[in-house]
This record gives sequence, C-alpha cells and structure tokens, in this order.
Amino acid sequence: DQQVKQNSPSLSVQEGRISILNCDYTNSMFDYFLWYKKYPAEGPTFLISISSIKDKNEDGRFTVFLNKSAKHLSLHIVPSQPGDSAVYFCAASGSSAGNMLTFGGGTRLMVKP
Amino acid sequence: DGGITQSPKYLFRKEGQNVTLSCEQNLNHDAMYWYRQDPGQGLRLIYYSQIVNDFQKGDIAEGYSVSREKKESFPLTVTSAQKNPTAFYLCASSTPYRGGLGTEAFFGQGTRLTVV
Repeated sequence: DQQVKQNSPSLSVQEGRISILNCDYTNSMFDYFLWYKKYPAEGPTFLISISSIKDKNEDGRFTVFLNKSAKHLSLHIVPSQPGDSAVYFCAASGSSAGNMLTFGGGTRLMVKP
Repeated sequence: DGGITQSPKYLFRKEGQNVTLSCEQNLNHDAMYWYRQDPGQGLRLIYYSQIVNDFQKGDIAEGYSVSREKKESFPLTVTSAQKNPTAFYLCASSTPYRGGLGTEAFFGQGTRLTVV
C-alpha cells in the first residue's frame, strides 16, 4: 500500500506560467515533507521542505503548501522555466519511521518555451 | 566536500554474472539506502541499513545482496538471480530523525547497469 502518492505521472506547462505538482499521503504520523528534483541519469536533489507545524513554505520561485486535514501537499513553481523540466518526487518522514523517507512515484514536469 | 559517491557511473554485465555497485559517504550518516529506478517509474527501495553490521530488505530485495561493514560504505551486489537487472541504481544516506525537522536524504549520482 503506497503511503505517499503522486497521482499525476506527468505535467506540461508553458514557460512563465505556474506549475502545480500534487502529492497525497495516508500516514497521519508523517510530520515532515520534502520535494526532490531529479534530472535524467542523475541523483535526486533536495528542493524544499515543510514541517507539519506550518502550512506554507517559500523559497524563491518554489512554494510548498500543506493541508494536514486533507493529507495533501503541493509544490508551486512560479514562474516556470524550461530548466525546471525534471521529475519531481515528494517524500515524507515521521517519528514512527525514524530516519526513513517514504517517496511518491514522481511527476515528470515539462516546461515548454 | 561532504557527499555520496557512487561508482562506476556506467556498468555492463553479462547474463549470469554477479556485479557489485559501490557507494561511499563522508556525511557521517548512520542510515544508507539503495533504490532502483526504471524508465518512467518512481524510486523503489531495495535494501536499507540504519547502522553498521545491520541491514533490512526493502520492497524489491530479491536477487540483491548488501553488506555494511563500515559506516561509510554500503555496496550492493546484483546477483545472477535478479531476473531483470538493467536499471538505474541510486544510493542515499539520511540524517537522523530530528523531530519537527524530520529527516533529509542525500543521493549519489547513480549507476546505470546494463545487462548484455
């Protein structure tokens, strides 16, 4: 049973517009969430995170929103740039899992010039 | 510079041969992981180790083996029993769980294994 799900395998957005990537989780013990970005043939790199005590965290063009009651988080990229084209993974951790991260299946974002 | 190093970047294996992928980290992390990624797929956990001399199977451990003799090293052996070994392999290590700051994983650059 997948505890972290990214239901959209791919997303295509025009350059300059907003990209919204979604992630749902089922384990209510998760209290820290991360987004990773991955280019082909490279390892994922950390992008942004949010603690469950917050509902929003911003870092430049990237904002993560957390809705605990819906067990849903989203990553907003504004404005989207062609260099943002990559696979984005959401991940979650919690006290019950210790130092384990549970990853979603990823969403491939394509930003068209 | 602290980080995780995977080697080699590309690896070719003949059918029926075992092959070992290297993963070394100097981040002083206790926990290390091996993931497999297939085209269009997410990250699937093969094995993980939370402490030296201890490791556990992940979701797809069949056909793989690991060892954790040193904190810095977590090599993965792809055995001949692995039916479909051609994939991109990622090694990671993670910080200890930090309460409200959770944990963060750091990844190597990956090894692409091709069976010929």
